[in-house]
Amino acid sequence: ETGVTQTPRHLVMGMTNKKSLKCEQHLGHNAMYWYKQSAKKPLELMFVYNFKEQTENNSVPSRFSPECPNSSHLFLHLHTLQPEDSALYLCASSQDGGRSFSYEQYFGPGTRLTVT
Amino acid sequence: GEDVEQSLFLSVREGDSSVINCTYTDSSSTYLYWYKQEPGAGLQLLTYIFSNMDMKQDQRLTVLLNKKDKHLSLRIADTQTGDSAIYFCAEKGGGADGLTFGKGTHLIIQP
Repeated sequence: ETGVTQTPRHLVMGMTNKKSLKCEQHLGHNAMYWYKQSAKKPLELMFVYNFKEQTENNSVPSRFSPECPNSSHLFLHLHTLQPEDSALYLCASSQDGGRSFSYEQYFGPGTRLTVT
Repeated sequence: GEDVEQSLFLSVREGDSSVINCTYTDSSSTYLYWYKQEPGAGLQLLTYIFSNMDMKQDQRLTVLLNKKDKHLSLRIADTQTGDSAIYFCAEKGGGADGLTFGKGTHLIIQP
């Protein structure tokens, strides 16, 4: 596997279910990100992990819970979601070289989530 | 807060040049990016430019940056059907670690 992979690619879940999204990067990067892509809205940054430490949480509801066990893996645990949470969830990774670095982010294919 | 604006649609004829425009508000932006998203796929990084540059060329792609007007453009020469996608402008500000994206421009290629 190369690049950034995400599983599952598609997920349908009820509002009372608990599920997890998985992201894995094979690029040797040390920063990972979760974004939400909804129709007709810009990509929304949800969480940032840098060297496994969460450095940003963009006011995301607690029904989304991230986990970063190591710099190659990132999870998004989902519970009691709402229909408006249906979206494409994208994972990305980058090499963090400090504030002057180019921060090129490489994205996975996304998980298409439908909440019923 | 930071804001990135793009037109939602651009239609061009095959073989013509496409110019996709973007404006941003964060004056502390350090890097600006163009990403491409094809149907059912994630975002693919096309190119990026550092804020102290005003132009960058990479094969068919030319990026122009007017920092004074906070205006970024992506020119695709000799547009082909494979260029049909959504193009996202994004900027990295001096603060947050993540990128701020525009809503994306749908590039439509007419035969």
